[in-house]
Amino acid sequence: EVQLVQSGAEVKKPGESLKVSCKGSGYNFPNFWIGWVRQMPGKGLEWVGIIYPGDSDIRYSPSFQGRVTISVDKSISTAFLQWSSLEASDTAIYYCARHLSIAAMDAFAIWGQGTMVTVSS
Amino acid sequence: DIQMTQSPSSLSASVGDRVTISCRASQNIKKYVSWYRQRPGKAPNLLIYAASVLHTGVPSGFSGSGSGTDFTLTISSLQPEDFATYYCQQTYSVPPTFGGGTTVEI
Repeated sequence: EVQLVQSGAEVKKPGESLKVSCKGSGYNFPNFWIGWVRQMPGKGLEWVGIIYPGDSDIRYSPSFQGRVTISVDKSISTAFLQWSSLEASDTAIYYCARHLSIAAMDAFAIWGQGTMVTVSS
Repeated sequence: DIQMTQSPSSLSASVGDRVTISCRASQNIKKYVSWYRQRPGKAPNLLIYAASVLHTGVPSGFSGSGSGTDFTLTISSLQPEDFATYYCQQTYSVPPTFGGGTTVEI
């Protein structure tokens, strides 16, 4: 079964750092782009960025560039989303998702279960 | 960024109803549109890609149409599990923006 399994919920204070993970299984992990999508409480979906595990090529949304870092460790079939200094406005559910095909621009066909990140003093 | 505008933002319907949701792009995106369903508390699921191609395992009651700037998702006969929020997304250019969502309520 093709699936993405994300790390568990996090509660952090403003200014703290965080790295959440997304582990793929059931398919050839290096060959498919993996992306991150933010959903703030009660709001819609926002595209954060994508990474190609094969060569670590990364594309960011201008809205998130400089605020987050996307990375991957293909030896453990895992993608990461990290913050160096969290803000309250980072409170949201973060989904990882895999592209439908090997194309750089494509629909998200496989989704992780989501990681709830809460930032509060 | 390309703006994706969905309408309506919400609608009320009954089981068995036919429902149509619209999505308009701020520029020509050919047929690079996908549609997702998100049930409460769950991750989104892909329904349709390339404007009209049904994703594997999605019931045939879902259909998509359109090209250029105007797109439509149609549910021919609402089922209880279809009461959810639906999103369109353009995959024509970075960032691949989503529409604001349409909530289908009972």
